Amino acid sequence: NAGVTQTPKFRVLKTGQSMTLLCAQDMNHEYMYWYRQDPGMGLRLIHYSVGEGTTAKGEVPDGYNVSRLKKQNFLLGLESAAPSQTSVYFCASEGTTARAKNIQYFGAGTRLSVL
Amino acid sequence: GDSVTQMEGPVTLSEEAFLTINCTYTATGYPSLFWYVQYPGEGLQLLLKATKADDKGSNKGFEATYRKETTSFHLEKGSVQVSDSAVYFCALRDSGAGSYQLTFGKGTKLSVIP
Repeated sequence: NAGVTQTPKFRVLKTGQSMTLLCAQDMNHEYMYWYRQDPGMGLRLIHYSVGEGTTAKGEVPDGYNVSRLKKQNFLLGLESAAPSQTSVYFCASEGTTARAKNIQYFGAGTRLSVL
Repeated sequence: GDSVTQMEGPVTLSEEAFLTINCTYTATGYPSLFWYVQYPGEGLQLLLKATKADDKGSNKGFEATYRKETTSFHLEKGSVQVSDSAVYFCALRDSGAGSYQLTFGKGTKLSVIP
């Protein structure tokens, strides 16, 4: 019963490098989200997707791109990493049934440092 | 825009003490309200929720009541345990079509000592 799985768990990048964070969910959820968590800031939404092939911008989308080619996967890309992107990144998913709606399930997070 | 304000920590309590974490909100519509908990090294998990005024959400001994008149959703527990040590986040989702975003407070770190 995996739920929401994020890879990798840790990563260190140099400024200007690129990388992709992978989120996979096995609950057949329609909605998926990427957040970043910074000290004293709570969680802020980067991008989200309401279905396969669709994505939308959240509160802090600049410097990130996303793709949802398969329903179970949601990828977050950093094309040219900057120190300001040092953060902990969380993926979440949510179902659309009456029972599942309004409950977001979170992965364990990816800790990213950009030097 | 929507916002959530919760008391800043850290909060340190002795085991079996009473807990209150204050949360107030502003929203343009009629929001649903949530408390999420984050244990060390883990992602967030839903603790409880309420979707309309005067609803009381409860789980694991925690309670919160949706107070529309005071725009509040305070978290309470009568007797905390060491295992309750975590960061607690208040959050809202506004009503209306296309409202997918959760707006989070900054989080309150709770430490319970034996």
